[in-house]
Amino acid sequence: DAMVIQNPRYQVTQFGKPVTLSCSQTLNHNVMYWYQQKSSQAPKLLFHYYDKDFNNEADTPDNFQSRRPNTSFCFLDIRSPGLGDAAMYLCATSRVTGLIAGNTEAFFGQGTRLTVV
Amino acid sequence: AQSVTQLGSHVSVSEGALVLLRCNYSSSVPPYLFWYVQYPNQGLQLLLKYTTGATLVKGINGFEAEFKKSETSFHLTKPSAHMSDAAEYFCAVSEWNYKLSFGAGTTVTVRA
Repeated sequence: DAMVIQNPRYQVTQFGKPVTLSCSQTLNHNVMYWYQQKSSQAPKLLFHYYDKDFNNEADTPDNFQSRRPNTSFCFLDIRSPGLGDAAMYLCATSRVTGLIAGNTEAFFGQGTRLTVV
Repeated sequence: AQSVTQLGSHVSVSEGALVLLRCNYSSSVPPYLFWYVQYPNQGLQLLLKYTTGATLVKGINGFEAEFKKSETSFHLTKPSAHMSDAAEYFCAVSEWNYKLSFGAGTTVTVRA
């Protein structure tokens, strides 16, 4: 089945130690997103790629970076994780065509739960 | 700017009872509206969406939602709750672009 896969499902990292989360998709969607979801809160968009174009949200800390080497893969890099970065990180994809794309459904992976110790 | 307000962070229902989750939106243009469900330690799964056309939208697992422009609402209902409906539910809105704004979520518990 076509899907969005995130690895690992659970990640424990040390305070200040760089960590990378990965996402792959078999849907061949052109847009890939990274969301941060803290406990009992709504998912918060960090950034997204529209094809190869990177789009950062204005309030995303510089500590968060992303790479998309090809259509199928996208990575979230946290350069120096702090205790406040402990959260569920969700990758999502969508197929966007045309200028008006508000009705586009996003497909989510199962998430990576990051713990910072 | 678009935004979503979900009334009630927790809803508890008896098995077999009506499930009603409230969502109100704010949008400067006709919105696109979505309901997603999230089970513990899982990603989000689309339940249903409203784009244009019929205002009563049917989704998966017996859920439906009605878009009411005059009330700026998109409430989610299910006539008869099942134990498997216990989860967190998110209402989301988008306008012309493809970026979703989520509400804070409503946790549903189902009592036997």
